[in-house]
Amino acid sequence: DVKVTQSSRYLVKRTGEKVFLECVQDMDHENMFWYRQDPGLGLRLIYFSYDVKMKEKGDIPEGYSVSREKKERFSLILESASTNQTSMYLCASSFQGTKTYNEQFFGPGTRLTVL
Amino acid sequence: KQEVTQIPAALSVPEGENLVLNCSFTDSAIYNLQWFRQDPGKGLTSLLLIQSSQREQTSGRLNASLDKSSGRSTLYIAASQPGDSATYLCAPLGDKLIFGTGTRLQVFP
Repeated sequence: DVKVTQSSRYLVKRTGEKVFLECVQDMDHENMFWYRQDPGLGLRLIYFSYDVKMKEKGDIPEGYSVSREKKERFSLILESASTNQTSMYLCASSFQGTKTYNEQFFGPGTRLTVL
Repeated sequence: KQEVTQIPAALSVPEGENLVLNCSFTDSAIYNLQWFRQDPGKGLTSLLLIQSSQREQTSGRLNASLDKSSGRSTLYIAASQPGDSATYLCAPLGDKLIFGTGTRLQVFP
């Protein structure tokens, strides 16, 4: 079975802090994704990566950056956290690079609160 | 621009009922469609993936159909159980990744 893990289930940070969210998958998938989920807005794609060191902006990349130095690990970075970035963050992975339409497997999520 | 609508938004039923959850999407240029289950505060669990060449997919008590031309997918849950209580999301998978906001299902004993 595909296993996607996220570094924290719950995280509380202060405004202006730099925040790192880590995601690791163990199925050698080329694609990895970061979403945020907010009530009434559903899931929205922040960034995705189809290969090591490659990234593409999603629908809401502002205020975020990403890093993919190894195939199994995809990091989401909030350079200076703000209260409007309080949300549930979900990581996902899928096989086959550059194709966004293959079956996605999700991690358990990180609930981030920015005070 | 892809828009995804799931109807109903919420559903509360007694145990044992057969259920139909609907997903409609505006852009039929998709490759696959995936159905997920999400428990409160948790991540998404993949239930079914319907490839563009298929019209339906089954897993246990779940059956999902896809009609790309009309922009619709249906998730059928047979003989519902309290353990089925969760939010169900659909995701038409294409060049853009847009998720529905889900149907919140409660099955009571």
